[in-house]
Amino acid sequence: AQRVTQPEKLLSVFKGAPVELKCNYSYSGSPELFWYVQYSRQRLQLLLRHISRESIKGFTADLNKGETSFHLKKPFAQEEDSAMYYCALSSASKIIFGSGTRLSIRP
Amino acid sequence: NAGVTQTPKFQVLKTGQSMTLQCAQDMNHNSMYWYRQDPGMGLRLIYYSASEGTTDKGEVPNGYNVSRLNKREFSLRLESAAPSQTSVYFCASSELGSSYNEQFFGPGTRLTVL
Repeated sequence: AQRVTQPEKLLSVFKGAPVELKCNYSYSGSPELFWYVQYSRQRLQLLLRHISRESIKGFTADLNKGETSFHLKKPFAQEEDSAMYYCALSSASKIIFGSGTRLSIRP
Repeated sequence: NAGVTQTPKFQVLKTGQSMTLQCAQDMNHNSMYWYRQDPGMGLRLIYYSASEGTTDKGEVPNGYNVSRLNKREFSLRLESAAPSQTSVYFCASSELGSSYNEQFFGPGTRLTVL
């Protein structure tokens, strides 16, 4: 079965500390993976996608097929990173989302 | 461009009442989706429409119906609302078949069923 797992409901880190939001997936085939973010009182929006291999707002995510993971990382957290983060997997004609991790950055 | 719009923004219903949530997109996307967002459960797909004229069940379709009225509009209907349907509902659209499959979301409808 295709599934996306985000094991942490809440992650709280201090400003300036490194951040890693975990995401594991199960999928038969070559996955297309994404991270979406929802800031307070804003719409859910795409943060980054693995095929672009890009860094957005200092965040990066590497697809590890051996560990079936797509963890989101940032070396130095900023207060404006506080948000809800969803890992997602593209499957046929739909996208499967994980349950989300709320990231809270403490000053 | 407005992107994806949803109406209403808020709604309170009594158990057993019916209502329709409206969604429209102006990006000429083929695919549209309805999700519900609940604390600790993330986003769960209710129904989707891969292209105009087709609709398919998602993960949690029970208690809902959808209509893909045309390419722009995709509505979600609750025939007999239940307290378990209290949630935030999001509509999204995307252009499947592109390299990126990015989904664009509406602002959400906060529904409370008493």
